[in-house]
Amino acid sequence: EIVLTQSPATLSLSPGERATLSCRASQTISNYLAWYQQKPGQAPRLLIYDASNRATGIPARFSGSGSGTDFTLTISSLEPEDFAVYYCQQRSSWITFGQGTRLEIK
Amino acid sequence: EVQLVESGGGLVQPGRSLRLSCAASGFTFDDYAMYWVRQAPGKGLEWVSGISWNSGYIGYADSVKGRFTISRDNAKNSLFLQMNNLRTDDTALYYCAKHLMIFGVVPQGLFDYWGQGALVTVSS
Repeated sequence: EIVLTQSPATLSLSPGERATLSCRASQTISNYLAWYQQKPGQAPRLLIYDASNRATGIPARFSGSGSGTDFTLTISSLEPEDFAVYYCQQRSSWITFGQGTRLEIK
Repeated sequence: EVQLVESGGGLVQPGRSLRLSCAASGFTFDDYAMYWVRQAPGKGLEWVSGISWNSGYIGYADSVKGRFTISRDNAKNSLFLQMNNLRTDDTALYYCAKHLMIFGVVPQGLFDYWGQGALVTVSS
């Protein structure tokens, strides 16, 4: 099973700041990496797929990069609604999720 | 508008069974692979099972293999999860989710729409 490790576990930032979230795979997954956002009491929402493709309706401040084993989700300038939990997910060898990064308001 | 509505959750004793349903609308259901993903209280996401558009390919996580059965009825735009021999660690919110890509491959799941979930609590 491919293990995804997200860092940091918690990220404390202020609105307007830049957020950088990381996801590392235990073995190479090419670009088969997606990012989801989950707010309390809501289902996850797909943000980025195949490492760098924004899903429909996702604002341009969200971007993804990486390939192989190391991936990054960047939020260029945080809006109040961006504070949530973010999960990465690989689909190179079946499906696994990272443990999540909580993005909280500083 | 795509909608996925789960039902069938509830409180059940260990060792018993439960059947979840997911009613889909707003898209051509029989063009897409469908999935179940669960989330234990306060925990992260765990993929449970997936089924191809024509039921020709089915996959399960190791944690549920041999106990859970996924199926679909394309005529009724419905997805199901039969859960047998439930354990306390199956307690979770179970989401129904749609593959992003038409005729998407089951092992390469990518979830663009999710339901609100059905809560399954396994406890004596």
